[in-house]
Amino acid sequence: KAGVTQTPRYLIKTRGQQVTLSCSPISGHRSVSWYQQTPGQGLQFLFEYFSETQRNKGNFPGRFSGRQFSNSRSEMNVSTLELGDSALYLCASSQDRAMTDTEAFFGQGTRLTVV
Amino acid sequence: KNQVEQSPQSLIILEGKNCTLQCNYTVSPFSNLRWYKQDTGRGPVSLTIMTFSENTKSNGRYTATLDADTKQSSLHITASQLSDSASYICVVSAGTGGFKTIFGAGTRLFVKA
Repeated sequence: KAGVTQTPRYLIKTRGQQVTLSCSPISGHRSVSWYQQTPGQGLQFLFEYFSETQRNKGNFPGRFSGRQFSNSRSEMNVSTLELGDSALYLCASSQDRAMTDTEAFFGQGTRLTVV
Repeated sequence: KNQVEQSPQSLIILEGKNCTLQCNYTVSPFSNLRWYKQDTGRGPVSLTIMTFSENTKSNGRYTATLDADTKQSSLHITASQLSDSASYICVVSAGTGGFKTIFGAGTRLFVKA
């Protein structure tokens, strides 16, 4: 069974640009949640999609958005990139709602560097 | 305020030794507590998940305990190996409906030969 796949693995962007990250969950999983990880702030929850609907959202500005497709694949978009957006972006998939009592599996992450 | 605090921040131990990592939380209402292992540059891997009614759970050489009364959890690693060198993150989820997940800052474990 294939794991959670995130693409691309590494990305370098310039301030002001926008970026789209992709996450393919484990087959059969309906929930995809996104997280930002930085050395200073640790892991922080961005948002969760379940059956194509955003179910939960963290405290991030509107520049961060996402969507989920009918095949459960999810994309995350960051517009007007800032230097502080440099981070490891992780997605996790689970059968049920994110971080409920069911197992959540993380991808390897996308390392975004904003210069 | 919902918080998860882990201690120590970092730890160095010799291969073969045991160690215990701590997690204190103030998240309410409690739903579940997870321990993850994260190798540098990789995604976290789940070690254990515990709900309110569980007070201990093992996964190989990893044993997690939960005291819901004192809101404390620990992760005990037995007979450490070099491959145990990683960050260990405690994650606590709360509530129903408007679900909240709070991540601890992690404990960085270094196992030396």
